[in-house]
Parts: sequence; structure tokens; C-alpha cells
Amino acid sequence: SQQGEEDPQALSIQEGENATMNCSYKTSINNLQWYRQNSGRGLVHLILIRSNEREKHSGRLRVTLDTSKKSSSLLITASRAADTASYFCAAASGGSYIPTFGRGTSLIVHP
Amino acid sequence: DVKVTQSSRYLVKRTGEKVFLECVQDMDHENMFWYRQDPGLGLRLIYFSYDVKMKEKGDIPEGYSVSREKKERFSLILESASTNQTSMYLCASSERRGGNEQFFGPGTRLTVL
Repeated sequence: SQQGEEDPQALSIQEGENATMNCSYKTSINNLQWYRQNSGRGLVHLILIRSNEREKHSGRLRVTLDTSKKSSSLLITASRAADTASYFCAAASGGSYIPTFGRGTSLIVHP
Repeated sequence: DVKVTQSSRYLVKRTGEKVFLECVQDMDHENMFWYRQDPGLGLRLIYFSYDVKMKEKGDIPEGYSVSREKKERFSLILESASTNQTSMYLCASSERRGGNEQFFGPGTRLTVL
């Protein structure tokens, strides 16, 4: 079963708008990671947030983690057409060091 | 620049053929992984390895085997390819244990006819 589940499955916005994607997970985690995948390519790591952190920033990306709700969100501010991609969360939990990936959110940013 | 390379971007094979997918990383990472990615199913872990000659089953190992004779190279083997193994195959590596960042290769899109 999937440890991380992204919501929504698909998101379509205009350039300049903010995009928010959510991830829910089932069991306690050591950390949670977000990855981006451009069409037909491998995944690229965006950001890692540890279980004792609540918020992390990287450029236009902001990730939050709420361990009480077992959820995380990825916010992309001032989106660009180049942000069009699929975004995955991956949670590494308990005794496992292997992150489990969700099914992803497909983001389309219209120019 | 860190790099994970995969032997082919696209591969077409016939049912029953033995298929080798090769992955090489140049980061001296201990951990290496093979995933398959299918629409609507996300990434599913096939096998992983945390050291040379070590391998462990992931979530969907049936129909696959792996080989890790050198630290930098992790091979995925389809002993007798079937049409339901048509998929995108992604290799990744990471350092040590601890849920660290994974570095992915560009993927191999395998079609089994």
C-alpha cells in the first residue's frame, strides 16, 4: 500500500498563480521528501523535511509538515510554465530507510 | 555533477526474451534501487541493494531478479519478459541508510511485444 498519497491528482493553473499540493501518509515518519518528474524523465529531488521540522523553504518552494495530521503540503509560489510536471511525495517511516512514493500530482501551468 | 545513467532510454523486446537493464552511478552510493512506474500506480519498488552482492525484495519482485557485482552498477533482469512488464523502469541511488535523498536515472521505457 502507498505510504504517501498526493492530492489533488491533477492541478491546472495560470502562470503567476500559486500551486498547492498535499500529501497524506499512514504511519509515523522519519522524513518526507518531494520530487518532481518532467514528462518521460527521471525524478528530481526538491526538498526533504524531517519529522521534527514544521516548515522548509527552497527558492519558490515551501513545504510544511503536520505530523499530528500525518500530512505535508508543497506550495509553489508564482508558478511558471516550466513548473509543469508531476510532483511526488515520498515518506520514509519507522525502521525503514526506503522512502515510499505516492502516485503523484500532475501540475499544468498555462502560460 | 552527480549522475545515474541507464543503459537504454527505449527498449523493445519480445515475449519470452531475457532482458537486462543496467544502471550505473558515479557517486559511490551504497544504496541502489529499481522501480517501475505505471500510469495511476506511481512508483513501485522492485528490488534494492544496500551493498555489493546484497539484494532485497521490494514490493513487486515477481518476474525480476537483480545483480550487484560492483558498487557502482545495479542490473535488473527480466528472466522471461512478459507483456505485463511493459513499463517505465527507473533506477535510483542514495547514500547510506536513513531515508536520504534518492538520485534517479532518466528511465528506460520497455515495451514487451
